[in-house]
Amino acid sequence: QQPVQSPQAVILREGEDAVINCSSSKALYSVHWYRQKHGEAPVFLMILLKGGEQKGHEKISASFNEKKQQSSLYLTASQLSYSGTYFCGTDHQGAQKLVFGQGTRLTINP
Amino acid sequence: DARVTQTPRHKVTEMGQEVTMRCQPILGHNTVFWYRQTMMQGLELLAYFRNRAPLDDSGMPKDRFSAEMPDATLATLKIQPSEPRDSAVYFCASGLEFSGSGNTIYFGEGSWLTVV
Repeated sequence: QQPVQSPQAVILREGEDAVINCSSSKALYSVHWYRQKHGEAPVFLMILLKGGEQKGHEKISASFNEKKQQSSLYLTASQLSYSGTYFCGTDHQGAQKLVFGQGTRLTINP
Repeated sequence: DARVTQTPRHKVTEMGQEVTMRCQPILGHNTVFWYRQTMMQGLELLAYFRNRAPLDDSGMPKDRFSAEMPDATLATLKIQPSEPRDSAVYFCASGLEFSGSGNTIYFGEGSWLTVV
C-alpha cells in the first residue's frame, strides 16, 4: 500500500530541473507533497485531488494522473533552498489517512 | 501563527521506563495523527483520531503503546515499557476533515526519542 517514489536520490546544480515520481498500486483520492529538511518536520507543499489537475507553487508544480495512479513533482530552476527530502503521501479514501513513500533526497549544489 | 505543538522535543530514557508524548493540534482541527519516523521504515502511521474518537491504531504495537485524546486540545502517545527499538522521531499531525474537502494535514516539530 505504500507508494513508490523514484528516484531515491538526486544531485543537481543550482538552476537545474528535477522530476520526482510517486506511484501507487491502489486507486487514489488525493496525493499530498511534503518537503522535509534534516532535523525538521515535513512541510506541506501542495495537494492534488483526483481529476488529473496540475498545481503550481512558485517554481514547484505537480501533476496527478488518476488513471495511472501516479503523481509527479516538478522543480524548475532549482534553488539551494530546495534541498531536502521530498515525500508523497497518498490518500485512498478521502479520509486524510496519508500513507507516505520512502522519500526522495534532493541535493542542490552551488 | 497556527501550528501543531509537541512536547517533549527531545527525550532520552532508559529501557523499561514509561514515556509520554503530548500534542496540541491546530485550533479547530478535528483530526489528529501520530506518525513514527525511522531511517529504515520511513514515516509510519501509528494511530489517528477524528473528533477525539480513535479511528485506526492498527500501526501501533498494542502491547506497549497507547494513544488517547482526553480533550480536543490534547493528544497523548504513551510507551510502557520503552525499548531501544522505539528510538525514533514521533510526529503529531492535525487536519480539518469534512467530506470531499481535500484538506491536508500539518506536522508538529516532532518528539525525538532515544531509549538506551
